[in-house]
Amino acid sequence: DAGVTQSPTHLIKTRGQQVTLRCSPKSGHDTVSWYQQALGQGPQFIFQYYEEEERQRGNFPDRFSGHQYPNYSSELNVNALLLGDSALYLCASSPTASGNTIYFGEGSWLTVV
Amino acid sequence: AQSVAQPEDQVNVAEGNPLTVKCTYSVSGNPYLFWYVQYPNRGLQFLLKYITGDNLVKGSYGFEAEFNKSQTSFHLKKPSALVSDSALYFCAVRDVSRLGYIPTFGRGTSLIVHP
Repeated sequence: DAGVTQSPTHLIKTRGQQVTLRCSPKSGHDTVSWYQQALGQGPQFIFQYYEEEERQRGNFPDRFSGHQYPNYSSELNVNALLLGDSALYLCASSPTASGNTIYFGEGSWLTVV
Repeated sequence: AQSVAQPEDQVNVAEGNPLTVKCTYSVSGNPYLFWYVQYPNRGLQFLLKYITGDNLVKGSYGFEAEFNKSQTSFHLKKPSALVSDSALYFCAVRDVSRLGYIPTFGRGTSLIVHP
């Protein structure tokens, strides 16, 4: 049973560029959340997708957008990258029925130079 | 609003000794509480959770946590620490009454177990 998978694992981008990160949820999970974890900090909630729609959003600017596909996989897009966007981006999934526990992927390390 | 505090940035313990990593929370309703562990350059792994029932919750790798409603705490414990337990530990809370399943995480506590 595959867990939450994310790609790419590492990437380097230049300020002003755009980036797309991808996530496949754990089998049987239909809800996907994205988190940003800066160095030395806990994960900060970006947004959550369910039934291909953004259901909730944290305190992040519109430069951060996402998408969920019919197979429940998801993408996180960040436009006009800033140096401060450098972080570990974590995808987490949960089954809607219980939803109590979210399971994380290994993350995508984004460095903006 | 919901929030969680981990008052210690770092906890040091000798191998074989008991360990405690502290967590306090604030929610308007009843809490769901979680502990996750993060090894270097890895994602977060689920350790245990409190939903309802017994105040002492047992989880993975010999860890347990005690829910104390009066003190709004959910401290993580292990009777005998291993060097391999050295990692970053995160406490998280979700208000039961809130829609969706969005937990709030603490800043994390670095656990260092010395041989």
